[in-house]
Amino acid sequence: GEDVEQSLFLSVREGDSSVINCTYTDSSSTYLYWYKQEPGAGLQLLTYIFSNMDMKQDQRLTVLLNKKDKHLSLRIADTQTGDSAIYFCAEWGGATNKLIFGTGTLLAVQP
Amino acid sequence: KAGVTQTPRYLIKTRGQQVTLSCSPISGHRSVSWYQQTPGQGLQFLFEYFSETQRNKGNFPGRFSGRQFSNSRSEMNVSTLELGDSALYLCASRQGDGNQPQHFGDGTRLSIL
Repeated sequence: GEDVEQSLFLSVREGDSSVINCTYTDSSSTYLYWYKQEPGAGLQLLTYIFSNMDMKQDQRLTVLLNKKDKHLSLRIADTQTGDSAIYFCAEWGGATNKLIFGTGTLLAVQP
Repeated sequence: KAGVTQTPRYLIKTRGQQVTLSCSPISGHRSVSWYQQTPGQGLQFLFEYFSETQRNKGNFPGRFSGRQFSNSRSEMNVSTLELGDSALYLCASRQGDGNQPQHFGDGTRLSIL
């Protein structure tokens, strides 16, 4: 079955880079997504990558995909206190046609 | 363009009651999906509607149901509420078929007393 795993917590200092990791199991996944959730809010789509790509950069965000190892990462450059939130990795399940979410990583940015 | 709108934002109900949640998708989006978010189970898929038809369904009991109207607005209904139904219910819309990204509303926080 499908499963998406993330580490639960990451703490960084303001100005440093943050790297949030994710592993997934569905080899038929076509798209992989990163969402951000701030307290009391819904999910904000940050970026996504097609499974035939290795990397995607969007301003401070860099997504790396290792399809062989089914590993996805999100790098946030120059992390700010406003980046403090929960970050969810999600895969589009090719077999089930639905989004499968990871458990979320709480990013805490220390000033 | 307005985002996904969910109403109400907060609801308090008691066990045994029923509840209806509403979702207005982004203009032009024909697919609406519903998710339940709890601290214990995380984000779980409930169902997806496309052009007024349920296209996909998660592993939830029959007490959870939904529908979609011709203007793509969707409602979700939960009957015979249980304490464990307390959760944040999120609605997401996307343009059509395939792998277009889903855009989420701010959710409805449902509390069961």
